[in-house]
Amino acid sequence: GDSVTQMEGPVTLSEEAFLTINCTYTATGYPSLFWYVQYPGEGLQLLLKATKADDKGSNKGFEATYRKETTSFHLEKGSVQVSDSAVYFCVVRGGALTFGSGTRLQVQP
Amino acid sequence: SAVISQKPSRDICQRGTSLTIQCQVDSQVTMMFWYRQQPGQSLTLIATANQGSEATYESGFVIDKFPISRPNLTFSTLTVSNMSPEDSSIYLCSVTGADATNEKLFFGSGTQLSVL
Repeated sequence: GDSVTQMEGPVTLSEEAFLTINCTYTATGYPSLFWYVQYPGEGLQLLLKATKADDKGSNKGFEATYRKETTSFHLEKGSVQVSDSAVYFCVVRGGALTFGSGTRLQVQP
Repeated sequence: SAVISQKPSRDICQRGTSLTIQCQVDSQVTMMFWYRQQPGQSLTLIATANQGSEATYESGFVIDKFPISRPNLTFSTLTVSNMSPEDSSIYLCSVTGADATNEKLFFGSGTQLSVL
């Protein structure tokens, strides 16, 4: 079945630092790829997605590019804010969703 | 977009009892899924709820423990049977939209279950 490997957290950064959260996957065919975010005390929200190779998903300053050749979908942001503190999940969708283990991001002022 | 109503939002239950969680969608959807998020862990798919037929369970989950119903395209229930403290989790209903690509994905707000 599909699987997702995501860098372990927590990741602690200072405000305005550059963020990378690595994600690699295994899947058959051409799955869709997503990043979901869970802010403290809230439910899951879709952050961004990419549905085919070389697509770049972006939202709220976050970006991730669908790399078929390296089976990766790394999440990046050029300048993080305290309000970005949350748990981030890399997700592969063949039929249903396969979630990574989540990476907790803590941004300090 | 699909709006999902999931209830109850939380419950505290005694060991050995059962709880049924309801998931109501405001539009017809193709696929409905049930997930579990145990404390500090990622989401795990329990099963795909199939309309008019038995649910498709993932490895490690069985119908006797997690019976699922889906009588129509807008409603599904998940029952957590004969509960133990290990069943304490957040249970989430998820659906795909009825758009042409089925790429839209929506989640209910979850049911936080605590088993004493």
